[in-house]
Amino acid sequence: KQEVTQIPAALSVPEGENLVLNCSFTDSAIYNLQWFRQDPGKGLTSLLLIQSSQREQTSGRLNASLDKSSGRSTLYIAASQPGDSATYLCAVTPSETSYDKVIFGPGTSLSVIP
Amino acid sequence: SQTIHQWPATLVQPVGSPLSLECTVEGTSNPNLYWYRQAAGRGLQLLFYSVGIGQISSEVPQNLSASRPQDRQFILSSKKLLLSDSGFYLCAWSAQINQPQHFGDGTRLSIL
Repeated sequence: KQEVTQIPAALSVPEGENLVLNCSFTDSAIYNLQWFRQDPGKGLTSLLLIQSSQREQTSGRLNASLDKSSGRSTLYIAASQPGDSATYLCAVTPSETSYDKVIFGPGTSLSVIP
Repeated sequence: SQTIHQWPATLVQPVGSPLSLECTVEGTSNPNLYWYRQAAGRGLQLLFYSVGIGQISSEVPQNLSASRPQDRQFILSSKKLLLSDSGFYLCAWSAQINQPQHFGDGTRLSIL
């Protein structure tokens, strides 16, 4: 059974710092992995999606990497800003036919201090 | 562009009362639709998904049901709410499996 974990559960950093959020999954047989952002009391916003054949994806100050063999993904945020404060969730899709089985991690709550 | 709407944003209901949460998607056709629940301190749990009108699959046995009366409309219902139904309910859509899921703003449901 696929399990997704995220460490740390919470993180507080000063503005301007570069940071890394971690996501681990127990079964390396995944179809893709997504990173989402969730603001308090709001829905999820998709940030990056990495297909299983890819190693990384970049969007602005965000870079997500994927190492299937070790069951890990990282989300790198460069030059953090107070507006980056939110909960970040990763989610894995097990296979091409199991889009209904997307499994989410519990999230990392990020606070960027001005 | 595509948009997804959920309402109401917040809801307070007594135990045993009925429930109807609505989700609509605009700007796309035949989307995959999903209902999730996010309980406090826990991850998202997939409740229902639908690949087309009238096609509903349930992930977990529960007090809730879902319906898809129109292509871009997804409804979450209950005949009698339980205290354990409290939580944050999120609707989402996706075009295909290799494309991201897009979420609504959610409904905060409190059962008294």
